[in-house]
Amino acid sequence: TQLLEQSPQFLSIQEGENLTVYCNSSSVFSSLQWYRQEPGEGPVLLVTVVTGGEVKKLKRLTFQFGDARKDSSLHITAAQPGDTGLYLCAGGTSGTYKYIFGTGTRLKVLA
Amino acid sequence: DAGVIQSPRHEVTEMGQEVTLRCKPISGHNSLFWYRQTMMRGLELLIYFNNNVPIDDSGMPEDRFSAKMPNASFSTLKIQPSEPRDSAVYFCASSLGLAPGRGGLETQYFGPGTRLLVL
Repeated sequence: TQLLEQSPQFLSIQEGENLTVYCNSSSVFSSLQWYRQEPGEGPVLLVTVVTGGEVKKLKRLTFQFGDARKDSSLHITAAQPGDTGLYLCAGGTSGTYKYIFGTGTRLKVLA
Repeated sequence: DAGVIQSPRHEVTEMGQEVTLRCKPISGHNSLFWYRQTMMRGLELLIYFNNNVPIDDSGMPEDRFSAKMPNASFSTLKIQPSEPRDSAVYFCASSLGLAPGRGGLETQYFGPGTRLLVL
């Protein structure tokens, strides 16, 4: 069974601080996606990484796919209250439309 | 485009009653997914369809759950009879579903969810 474990589970930080969220698995994925979910809404895609070692930047967010394509990280620089939400990683496999979602990291950024 | 539409947004029912959740995917999308989200278990895939055909229902908890997709623009998830442990937020999502080889590369667009409470 493919599992994606995220850490930390909860994170509460002050505005302006940096943070890193991790997504780990013992399985290899052909791609790794990161979603953000705000209260009362569905998850929204932030980024897709597909190559081992790939790094993508989205403004203050930096995403990295592990060399072995088993893990990923999300780094936020100078967090803002608008970054508050549930961050979910999702592993994809070529040959199927199915995604395995991680356990989630709930982030709260205090003003 | 209006995005993925789900109804109802909230449902409160009593144990033993039948519950039907509805979803309209984004026009032109060939894949449709039903998820359940709880604090304890996170976001779980229940079933997904491609071109209206169920592809993988291994996540459906038990026979009390059933899902249909009679056409490209409508799907239902039914729970009969409902139990308190079914209380959760149920999400529908759709994606282009162009080809299995593109698996892992497509964006899933989620609806706003149906918050179900079974008393």
